Amino acid sequence: GAVVSQHPSWVICKSGTSVKIECRSLDFQATTMFWYRQFPKQSLMLMATSNEGSKATYEQGVEKDKFLINHASLTLSTLTVTSAHPEDSSFYICSAPTPPVNYEQYFGPGTRLTVT
Amino acid sequence: RKEVEQDPGPFNVPEGATVAFNCTYSNSASQSFFWYRQDCRKEPKLLMSVYSSGNEDGRFTAQLNRASQYISLLIRDSKLSDSATYLCVVDTGTASKLTFGTGTRLQVTL
Repeated sequence: GAVVSQHPSWVICKSGTSVKIECRSLDFQATTMFWYRQFPKQSLMLMATSNEGSKATYEQGVEKDKFLINHASLTLSTLTVTSAHPEDSSFYICSAPTPPVNYEQYFGPGTRLTVT
Repeated sequence: RKEVEQDPGPFNVPEGATVAFNCTYSNSASQSFFWYRQDCRKEPKLLMSVYSSGNEDGRFTAQLNRASQYISLLIRDSKLSDSATYLCVVDTGTASKLTFGTGTRLQVTL
């Protein structure tokens, strides 16, 4: 089946630094990828939609200048958390809908970010 | 009202039991419905899609009632390995975007 990878799987950084998370579709092309955030004991919340060749679209309440998204190719999207703060500590997960059934999404294994 | 609401859980059941989870959704434009399973500190994995006619996959049966905007998941003969959080997921009606319920935690015990 379709595989989506994420890197790194976990990262610890100091407050004020930036962290880049990569999401790759390994055996299919993804013109769209989604970025989610999940806090402990809460559900996944969609942060933004990453679009290959155009700007990402952000959900209400998500700061686009803080969470920079770049969809560099049909198999790679990156999320950069800029000037990270402890409240940004969370589980970040990407997903990609798989053709031809675009509503079926495959999720990356997630990246656990801890900001100290 | 939350877009997707689920039973709060947790559900603690003995091995072999039958357990049912319920979910309601608010967006009448939604067309696709899913149950995902999420293990602790892992990504969600698709368990099954849910169709209007109802569908079954082994021990798992999913039902959809569009009129009531209600989705259910039935697990028969529970196994220890079924212990996980079950997420009710509904499309938003726009461009493959999904809305997740908060999940129902299932713990199957000996």
